[in-house]
Amino acid sequence: GAGVSQSPSNKVTEKGKDVELRCDPISGHTALYWYRQSLGQGLEFLIYFQGNSAPDKSGLPSDRFSAERTGGSVSTLTIQRTQQEDSAVYLCASSLAAEVGNTIYFGEGSWLTVV
Amino acid sequence: GDSVTQMEGPVTLSEEAFLTINCTYTATGYPSLFWYVQYPGEGLQLLLKATKADDKGSNKGFEATYRKETTSFHLEKGSVQVSDSAVYFCALSDSGAGSYQLTFGKGTKLSVIP
Repeated sequence: GAGVSQSPSNKVTEKGKDVELRCDPISGHTALYWYRQSLGQGLEFLIYFQGNSAPDKSGLPSDRFSAERTGGSVSTLTIQRTQQEDSAVYLCASSLAAEVGNTIYFGEGSWLTVV
Repeated sequence: GDSVTQMEGPVTLSEEAFLTINCTYTATGYPSLFWYVQYPGEGLQLLLKATKADDKGSNKGFEATYRKETTSFHLEKGSVQVSDSAVYFCALSDSGAGSYQLTFGKGTKLSVIP
């Protein structure tokens, strides 16, 4: 596609439920990133993929968070047993490759509200 | 670890005023530097970037120069417009961090009034 596509754009879920957020990167981009944007914390890095492998998972806040990428394309971020502090905008981004200086392109985000 | 510090604002300017948003960084390697902009209700967009010392990135009248000696990448625009109202994020990408992901500053909200 023309840009990074994320779904759903908005999700309201009850505390304790699991949620899945999907990201479709720009065609041909081998690197894919997940970030979280919240009022108190700014933009936080969660995880990045090079192809289907995740060399850096250092930003995942707890073991309730996981992500996978298949076929070198679509990625899913899963949050299990959601908590209210998980409410945030989850941003996906992609770049041609994981190299310093490459432009990273962002999707419009998935706004998650946990009630 | 790597970090980016930028003035947090909010910044309110009149149309046609001069804009400076300060940004300084610390990095373990030799980073590339970026400014991203987020317009109301929209996603993050790259505004400009610079990949080596003394490079100047420019776009839409905005400029920023990579200053290695002062570890800075200040954003400037000579004459702002109402349409420039947005949140601006300074960021770096650093191979020394081992992952090439972006480290962001906290963002500066700019409001331009007619």
